Amino acid sequence: DTEVTQTPKHLVMGMTNKKSLKCEQHMGHRAMYWYKQKAKKPPELMFVYSYEKLSINESVPSRFSPECPNSSLLNLHLHALQPEDSALYLCASSQPAGETNQPQHFGDGTRLSIL
Amino acid sequence: KQEVTQIPAALSVPEGENLVLNCSFTDSAIYNLQWFRQDPGKGLTSLLLIQSSQREQTSGRLNASLDKSSGRSTLYIAASQPGDSATYLCARGGFQKLVFGTGTRLLVSP
Repeated sequence: DTEVTQTPKHLVMGMTNKKSLKCEQHMGHRAMYWYKQKAKKPPELMFVYSYEKLSINESVPSRFSPECPNSSLLNLHLHALQPEDSALYLCASSQPAGETNQPQHFGDGTRLSIL
Repeated sequence: KQEVTQIPAALSVPEGENLVLNCSFTDSAIYNLQWFRQDPGKGLTSLLLIQSSQREQTSGRLNASLDKSSGRSTLYIAASQPGDSATYLCARGGFQKLVFGTGTRLLVSP
């Protein structure tokens, strides 16, 4: 069983819809991450939150809007997505970076399909 | 641009064989090197993390080594089992960032 829970597991949406992906962890981690993974490709970092503040945005289009309402939750709000945004979206958490990084723990992802 | 490559891209072995997966990275100024496995349609499971000051880590049948000077890491799997079949990803750890390798798809047949 994963310690990082993502909902929903699957999402199909049209290009004009607004939806949100949710991620929750109860390991006391203060860093949370969003990754995008296309089929047969490695995950690519999208956003990093550290102590509930956005610390890294990897030049992600504004149609993706992250939110970290508290230390256990991470949301990804979606609006006006394109078909090429169809992918597996992975959430991860860890202790924040210090002198040495701690392992990241991943959820099972949300498989997103844009019609 | 930071690049992480893995060879081979795919590997098929009979059960019981020992095997080595390779990972190479272009920037030696890393914080750590992490190995993950990913089952089809699933998220990533962390296997081993080697801090930049370490040379290797072991967990059960898995042993990972790190050579920063040559930009290489290896994952050694002893006595492989069908349950080891998955995609194995290495990731170069920087400050708050992981850059993933291209992955090795492993199939262990009974």
